[in-house]
Formats: sequence, structure tokens, C-alpha cells
Amino acid sequence: AQSVTQPDIHITVSEGASLELRCNYSYGATPYLFWYVQSPGQGLQLLLKYFSGDTLVQGIKGFEAEFKRSQSSFNLRKPSVHWSDAAEYFCAASFGKAGNMLTFGGGTRLMVKP
Amino acid sequence: DTGVSQDPRHKITKRGQNVTFRCDPISEHNRLYWYRQTLGQGPEFLTYFQNEAQLEKSRLLSDRFSAERPKGSFSTLEIQRTEQGDSAMYLCASSSGESQYFGPGTRLLVL
Repeated sequence: AQSVTQPDIHITVSEGASLELRCNYSYGATPYLFWYVQSPGQGLQLLLKYFSGDTLVQGIKGFEAEFKRSQSSFNLRKPSVHWSDAAEYFCAASFGKAGNMLTFGGGTRLMVKP
Repeated sequence: DTGVSQDPRHKITKRGQNVTFRCDPISEHNRLYWYRQTLGQGPEFLTYFQNEAQLEKSRLLSDRFSAERPKGSFSTLEIQRTEQGDSAMYLCASSSGESQYFGPGTRLLVL
């Protein structure tokens, strides 16, 4: 079955520390991959996406993600976290053709310690 | 480009009442999607339009739910005879390619 898994429900990091949020997918080919961020009570903002080509993709707000086919992973990273990065992060995939529905992971809630 | 807008932002209703939500996509986006998000979960797909045509519906979309996009622009999602289990955030997204852009959502509380 096609699925997206985010193994970490909560992560706490200190401000200025590096961050890595994990995402794994289950699919027989390479899906279209996305990371979104959601602040409390708000909609989702697209951080970055991967379709093909260079496996390291840059996004907004200083985030990057690396696609690893061998691990079926698309982990999100940021070298130095700011207090304003505290939010819920969702990994999502579109299986099959472009424009298909998104399948989301369960989300990772990021808390930032001062 | 003003982004995806949704109305209302919040709705409180009593069980058994009908509710209707509206979504205005980014102009010229031909695809429009509805998702539902319950507390602590990721969004789940409900249905999807390309222009006026409703191309896909999730099994989550029971007979009490209906969605329309009559002129290929805005869309409405109606829930009839609401149940407490319908309480959730209803998210709309639009797209003209691979990426979907989300609105702020409509939070529904059924008492």
C-alpha cells in the first residue's frame, strides 16, 4: 500500500541547533515529495518539493531536504533553528502522475527551546 | 495572486444541521482539492476537481457530503445532517501543476 510515515511525533531542539525531521514512503517508484509547515490553527505552507534530478532540494525559510531512493526517505533539515520555526511539519507524497491527491504523514511537532 | 481563500474560517453548528463551506482557488488554477484534518493528524484527501469535473472521491466522502465546482472557479463543500464525528478542519488546495497550495481552512465544530 502507498503510504507516508513520519516516525517522530514530537521533537524538541534548542534555538540555534540543527534539525532533521524524518520522512519515509512506501511505493514501487519515486513519488512526488513535499514538505509543508502548519502553524496552530492555520493552513499548510509549502516548504519545498522533489520531483526528479538533484536529490538535495532547497526550500524557503532556510530548509532543505534530501531524497534517498535506497532508503525511501525524504528528510527535512535546517542547520540552525529559530524560535519561529516551532510548528507542525508534514511530509506528503503524490503517487502516480503529477496533480494526484496528496497522502500525508502523521506530522512532527517541533518545539524550540530558548 | 491572493492565495487560496476559504469561508467561513470557523463554524459551530448543532448535530443534524446542514453546513456549506466555500473555497476560492488561486486564479487560473484548474485543479481544486478538499482535505479533512482532525486534531493531531495529517490531512486526508476527500475529493478533487479538474475544472468543473469531479475526478476523484475518497471513501471518506459519505453520502452526506457533496462538493461542487460549477464554473470551474470556486468550489463548495456541503455536509448534510452533521454528526459530531464531522468536527474537523476542512482544507482546500489548488494547483496548476505538481504543487498544491492550501488555504487557511474552515474549522467545524458540531455540538
